[in-house]
Amino acid sequence: NAGVMQNPRHLVRRRGQEARLRCSPMKGHSHVYWYRQLPEEGLKFMVYLQKENIIDESGMPKERFSAEFPKEGPSILRIQQVVRGDSAAYFCASSPLGQGVPEQYFGPGTRLTVT
Amino acid sequence: DAKTTQPPSMDCAEGRAANLPCNHSTISGNEYVYWYRQIHSQGPQYIIHGLKNNETNEMASLIITEDRKSSTLILPHATLRDTAVYYCIVRAGLTGANSKLTFGKGITLSVRP
Repeated sequence: NAGVMQNPRHLVRRRGQEARLRCSPMKGHSHVYWYRQLPEEGLKFMVYLQKENIIDESGMPKERFSAEFPKEGPSILRIQQVVRGDSAAYFCASSPLGQGVPEQYFGPGTRLTVT
Repeated sequence: DAKTTQPPSMDCAEGRAANLPCNHSTISGNEYVYWYRQIHSQGPQYIIHGLKNNETNEMASLIITEDRKSSTLILPHATLRDTAVYYCIVRAGLTGANSKLTFGKGITLSVRP
């Protein structure tokens, strides 16, 4: 069973461009979480999605950031008009549906560099 | 904000047990204690979790005090590959808005040869 996959692993964007980060959850997992880790800081929750629904977006910046998890295909974290402060490692995690499953399985992350 | 307090760092000798403390004095009755680790900027890795009983798996043991206000993660035979940042997290829900993980600064464990 393949783990959580994220691509690209490294992404370089110029200021003002768009960044699209993809996350393929583990097989059978229908919950996806996105976290961001700024340089020299801890991981911060951004958004929690189930298939076709945003459950909790309390950690998402109000502007330029959006996320989706369509019925088919990977979850996408989209950052429009990137700025240097968006440079960070972005991790997604997945979890299966249902109660009683404690752990979130993390992907290797996408390292975004804004020049 | 994180509900846990951990010392910033500790070290131990390879082959010895590493005991990582965590204080969670405001934990609620329905909140679990989780431990994750992050090795050199890789994605965090789940280690273990518990509610009130001590737990053991192939990676580690978790000892939770009777009042649940603190816990200790034990790596019984630390290796160099265990050098990482270890996060102690309290979490109430398994689904829904309470299911997100709130990471603090963690404790940096350095295993020396």
